[in-house]
Amino acid sequence: GNSVTQMEGPVTLSEEAFLTINCTYTATGYPSLFWYVQYPGEGLQLLLKATKADDKGSNKGFEATYRKETTSFHLEKGSVQVSDSAVYFCALFTGTASKLTFGTGTRLQVTL
Amino acid sequence: SAVISQKPSRDICQRGTSLTIQCQVDSQVTMMFWYRQQPGQSLTLIATANQGSEATYESGFVIDKFPISRPNLTFSTLTVSNMSPEDSSIYLCSASAGTSYEQYFGPGTRLTVT
Repeated sequence: GNSVTQMEGPVTLSEEAFLTINCTYTATGYPSLFWYVQYPGEGLQLLLKATKADDKGSNKGFEATYRKETTSFHLEKGSVQVSDSAVYFCALFTGTASKLTFGTGTRLQVTL
Repeated sequence: SAVISQKPSRDICQRGTSLTIQCQVDSQVTMMFWYRQQPGQSLTLIATANQGSEATYESGFVIDKFPISRPNLTFSTLTVSNMSPEDSSIYLCSASAGTSYEQYFGPGTRLTVT
């Protein structure tokens, strides 16, 4: 079956530090890959997506590249802000399963 | 995009009782979904709420325990029946206007069963 593995949190960084949150997946078929973000007290929001190998999704300074050879979709940002503090979820979707499969989420805490 | 609200935002319930969670979308959507997020775990899909027909449940979830209604294109309810402490979780509603992978989520309902 499909599964997503994320690095465990919490991740604590100082403002302007470089961020990487690792995500690897196992899937049958050819998945689309996503990062969702959940800010405190809010619902999950789609942050970025990539639908095929070598695609790069980007939004709000965050990037992730679909790496089929390593089955990975790591989230990166060059300079984090306090306002980026949230929980980040990696997810995949395949037409075979027709549903989203989520990782466990990684909490990011950015301090001044 | 769609804005989704859920009621209640949280509740504390006694075992053996039932709770109905409401999900309202601000626009018509094609698909609506219910998820459970247990402490420290990922989101697990409970079921897809189908407008005008019975919900489609995932393995491990049954209609008697989690009855779902979807009377129109903007509203759905999930009932957690005969609750036990193991049902303590966050329950999330989501909706999709097009492809089912691009989903919009509500803020969740935090349920504690004592």
